Amino acid sequence: DSGVTQTPKHLITATGQRVTLRCSPRSGDLSVYWYQQSLDQGLQFLIQYYNGEERAKGNILERFSAQQFPDLHSELNLSSLELGDSALYFCASSLGLAGGPWAGELFFGEGSRLTVL
Amino acid sequence: AQKITQTQPGMFVQEKEAVTLDCTYDTSDQSYGLFWYKQPSSGEMIFLIYQGSYDEQNATEGRYSLNFQKARKSANLVISASQLGDSAMYFCAMRVQGAQKLVFGQGTRLTINP
Repeated sequence: DSGVTQTPKHLITATGQRVTLRCSPRSGDLSVYWYQQSLDQGLQFLIQYYNGEERAKGNILERFSAQQFPDLHSELNLSSLELGDSALYFCASSLGLAGGPWAGELFFGEGSRLTVL
Repeated sequence: AQKITQTQPGMFVQEKEAVTLDCTYDTSDQSYGLFWYKQPSSGEMIFLIYQGSYDEQNATEGRYSLNFQKARKSANLVISASQLGDSAMYFCAMRVQGAQKLVFGQGTRLTINP
């Protein structure tokens, strides 16, 4: 158990719909990362938050948005869903913004599997 | 930009044999870290081992070791005495100084045969 909690574990919805994925980081971790894993794209970094502020943005579509709340949990909102958005969405957390590359490993949740029909 | 390349989409190994999973990386940064993660069929991502670019010794964690060849920009994962439970996807990843995100390779699916 990594200590990172993601809900829901599975979600099936229709094209055009909107969903919200939730992530609770490990206790004490201030950074939250969102990754998308699809069969053809591998693990793609979407966005990172640190202590409530957006710190880095990756290949996140404009239809997607995220935020980190004062209690440090994070939500990833996916709207106007398309078939190609079907993927496993991971949340990961780490302690913070340590200056060196060894800022600790990222601890991953079990993922939220989204199926868009 | 950073890039991780894993050239082996799949590997099949007999139980108890050692296995090497290849990883090459590309970055112009001098300070970076290399990571390996395991993803079993259940889907979770499990951290295995870390190597810093300035580390002089190859990292080891139990049956896992990282064969770090800086000049060749390779960071291969070696699993000794493979077990059936090692069957999984394995991802190599990199983080550079000042960045927080990990950049992942495409992964290698390892199958251990009894």
